[in-house]
Amino acid sequence: DTAVSQTPKYLVTQMGNDKSIKCEQNLGHDTMYWYKQDSKKFLKIMFSYNNKELIINETVPNRFSPKSPDKAHLNLHINSLELGDSAVYFCASSTRLAGSYEQYFGPGTRLTVT
Amino acid sequence: LAKTTQPISMDSYEGQEVNITCSHNNIATNDYITWYQQFPSQGPRFIIQGYKTKVTNEVASLFIPADRKSSTLSLPRVSLSDTAVYYCLVGISGNTGKLIFGQGTTLQVKP
Repeated sequence: DTAVSQTPKYLVTQMGNDKSIKCEQNLGHDTMYWYKQDSKKFLKIMFSYNNKELIINETVPNRFSPKSPDKAHLNLHINSLELGDSAVYFCASSTRLAGSYEQYFGPGTRLTVT
Repeated sequence: LAKTTQPISMDSYEGQEVNITCSHNNIATNDYITWYQQFPSQGPRFIIQGYKTKVTNEVASLFIPADRKSSTLSLPRVSLSDTAVYYCLVGISGNTGKLIFGQGTTLQVKP
């Protein structure tokens, strides 16, 4: 019954590695997002997709590449991981793009880069 | 997007009413005011949204004065489980669905 799910919940890896985080929503929403929450708890949007089309691409290193195989899935692949990538990454979804104040967030993936 | 200012932290006791005020002096005519709640180790959760006057749902009430330069989230009779970070958000950047989260208010409810 989980609305927005992410895997894995925890991810510990070494610098330089490549890793992926998967997100799935079963709410039938058209729009999905990736957010990053740093150690100071600031939550910042990274990407948004609407009907598999990239809409928002914030100032994020091109080592981060989102992929949306279908409307229900939005995965995040990170190449050449750096220490500064350590954070909690949240996936979210909403019914539509414009005026979507109500977004449904997943449980987060805590990424630790050593 | 309108910048929001809210207290960094607040303490309360079980059973009390908690009011968290958010300032948003530069709110635009079309902007809505939205509040999210985030428990430790969880993603944010939408609580309430309003445009003007008062909005109430099963979780909280939102009071917005006529000039809309501030808003107050009211949590009636809080319990320990209301301990969380509360975020005030204003507006959305165009039609992108982009939410701008500020620092939030950490509410600690004590027994």
